[in-house]
Amino acid sequence: LAKTTQPISMDSYEGQEVNITCSHNNIATNDYITWYQQFPSQGPRFIIQGYKTKVTNEVASLFIPADRKSSTLSLPRVSLSDTAVYYCLVGEGLGGYQKVTFGIGTKLQVIP
Amino acid sequence: DTAVSQTPKYLVTQMGNDKSIKCEQNLGHDTMYWYKQDSKKFLKIMFSYNNKELIINETVPNRFSPKSPDKAHLNLHINSLELGDSAVYFCASSQGWGAGNYGYTFGSGTRLTVV
Repeated sequence: LAKTTQPISMDSYEGQEVNITCSHNNIATNDYITWYQQFPSQGPRFIIQGYKTKVTNEVASLFIPADRKSSTLSLPRVSLSDTAVYYCLVGEGLGGYQKVTFGIGTKLQVIP
Repeated sequence: DTAVSQTPKYLVTQMGNDKSIKCEQNLGHDTMYWYKQDSKKFLKIMFSYNNKELIINETVPNRFSPKSPDKAHLNLHINSLELGDSAVYFCASSQGWGAGNYGYTFGSGTRLTVV
């Protein structure tokens, strides 16, 4: 099981770009990297997923270096509503036995 | 339309009681899960079912018993509730195996409080 390490918390002002980095040194060849967002009293919500290089969608960008031992979630121009916990997950492989456990995540606090 | 729905949203009960939490997904997903989120916000998998077959059964007390009558439903029954069972329980689903490539869709959670 690929273990992930993220900062426990981050603060940012509204309108700034926020980058949250996740370390996953023992990522396997077939593993994908997925980020989730969780608001209080809600279940986690899928944000973005990638395998290598860069992935962008309407919500965020995901940067993955060539060695894939880390990844960075980038949130452009955050607003107060982006205050949440962000989880980095590394899957155990394509189509195989999956036992994904979320870490403690990064608590992002956006300040007015 | 709620994709993954759990009931009840809140559950307060006394020690020793037996309770059930229900989950239904209308996404046509093949795999469903139960996760437990404790007071420290650590989200840990408990069970996973693929097409009604138990795939993952983590080290949880056998007082917890999942049941999947069909691939759209995964219920969780808990016998002889203990104080340490107090947590938020999340149901989730995914298309195909696991979440590595397809992503989970979570329900809104059931906050269980044992008094």
